[in-house]
Amino acid sequence: GAVVSQHPSRVICKSGTSVKIECRSLDFQATTMFWYRQFPKQSLMLMATSNEGSKATYEQGVEKDKFLINHASLTLSTLTVTSAHPEDSSFYICSASGNERGYNEQFFGPGTRLTVL
Amino acid sequence: LAKTTQPISMDSYEGQEVNITCSHNNIATNDYITWYQQFPSQGPRFIIQGYKTKVTNEVASLFIPADRKSSTLSLPRVSLSDTAVYYCLVGNTGGFKTIFGAGTRLFVKA
Repeated sequence: GAVVSQHPSRVICKSGTSVKIECRSLDFQATTMFWYRQFPKQSLMLMATSNEGSKATYEQGVEKDKFLINHASLTLSTLTVTSAHPEDSSFYICSASGNERGYNEQFFGPGTRLTVL
Repeated sequence: LAKTTQPISMDSYEGQEVNITCSHNNIATNDYITWYQQFPSQGPRFIIQGYKTKVTNEVASLFIPADRKSSTLSLPRVSLSDTAVYYCLVGNTGGFKTIFGAGTRLFVKA
């Protein structure tokens, strides 16, 4: 299967600062990337869908000005949590899909644990 | 997007076969059924995918009846390391958004 990485794996920041999380497809070109958030003991919640070169599509209830998503290349998408607050502390997971390889599945990154103090 | 319903939790013992059934009554014609496994603080890991009948790989089997309104993930001879949350997803998961259900928390006991 294809490999998706995330960086950093965990980050601790102060309230009010911004944090950037990177998601990379290492061995395939990801035409579509997805960002999820997962709180303890809960399922993954889709935040947004991003296609390379176009604006991300956000799910209802997700603030696009707070969670900035950039998908500037076929191997990299970034999620920036702006003016982070303690309630933004969560496990953020990205996934990528590359149709050119004929995959009908998403490949998930290992996740990023964000803790906002 | 088709909604899925799975048991919230299941318990098993090492060496047993575990079958987790997922209901997806509103599955569309072009939808696939995909199962993922997730360990704590890790991203979901692909287990198996199917469209109809039976699919088998090195870790699991997936049984899909003719009406495709349900599917069953079969894990042969589970071990303690199979303790995880298992998600059933329905859709054309390639480039289209996927909505995760609650998943099934499998606990394997010694």
